[in-house]
Amino acid sequence: AQSVAQPEDQVNVAEGNPLTVKCTYSVSGNPYLFWYVQYPNRGLQFLLKYITGDNLVKGSYGFEAEFNKSQTSFHLKKPSALVSDSALYFCAVRPMNSGNTPLVFGKGTRLSVIA
Amino acid sequence: KAGVTQTPRYLIKTRGQQVTLSCSPISGHRSVSWYQQTPGQGLQFLFEYFSETQRNKGNFPGRFSGRQFSNSRSEMNVSTLELGDSALYLCASSPSGGGAYSYEQYFGPGTRLTVT
Repeated sequence: AQSVAQPEDQVNVAEGNPLTVKCTYSVSGNPYLFWYVQYPNRGLQFLLKYITGDNLVKGSYGFEAEFNKSQTSFHLKKPSALVSDSALYFCAVRPMNSGNTPLVFGKGTRLSVIA
Repeated sequence: KAGVTQTPRYLIKTRGQQVTLSCSPISGHRSVSWYQQTPGQGLQFLFEYFSETQRNKGNFPGRFSGRQFSNSRSEMNVSTLELGDSALYLCASSPSGGGAYSYEQYFGPGTRLTVT
């Protein structure tokens, strides 16, 4: 069965500094990987996804993520954090070519960007 | 296109009651998934409906049920509510067609259920 680990419940970063939110996964075969963001009192918003091809994926709001197959990781990054990036971030995975297997989400990492 | 809508946004119920939540997917999306979000457990998958058929089911008791209508709108029902059912219930729709794109889910704002 597939699983996702987000090892940090909380990440604090100063505005203007680079940020990284970590995600590792376990899946049979090749993965589809996703990042979602949740702002207070809102549903999840899609940020980016990895399907195949270039290991560096660029997404919304200046975020990017790097797929590392050997380390089974898909860390979310941004070169310069904004206070408005403060939110809850979820990593999700499903196996490629697995029919209709639903997405599995990590437990989320709360990002706090301090001015 | 209008996004995923969920009604009601907030709900307070008493233990033992039952509740029905509604979700309208993005126009043209035929897959609707439901999730329960709690601070301790994160996002837990409840079930997925596609073309009025339940395609996947998570590990929840039979008190949790759902259905999908011919217009793709979906409802979920929780009977005999327990205090632990207090959560944010999220609905997500996906475009049909298979592959990774069908798993680029679009979430509604959720229904905040409080059981007292």
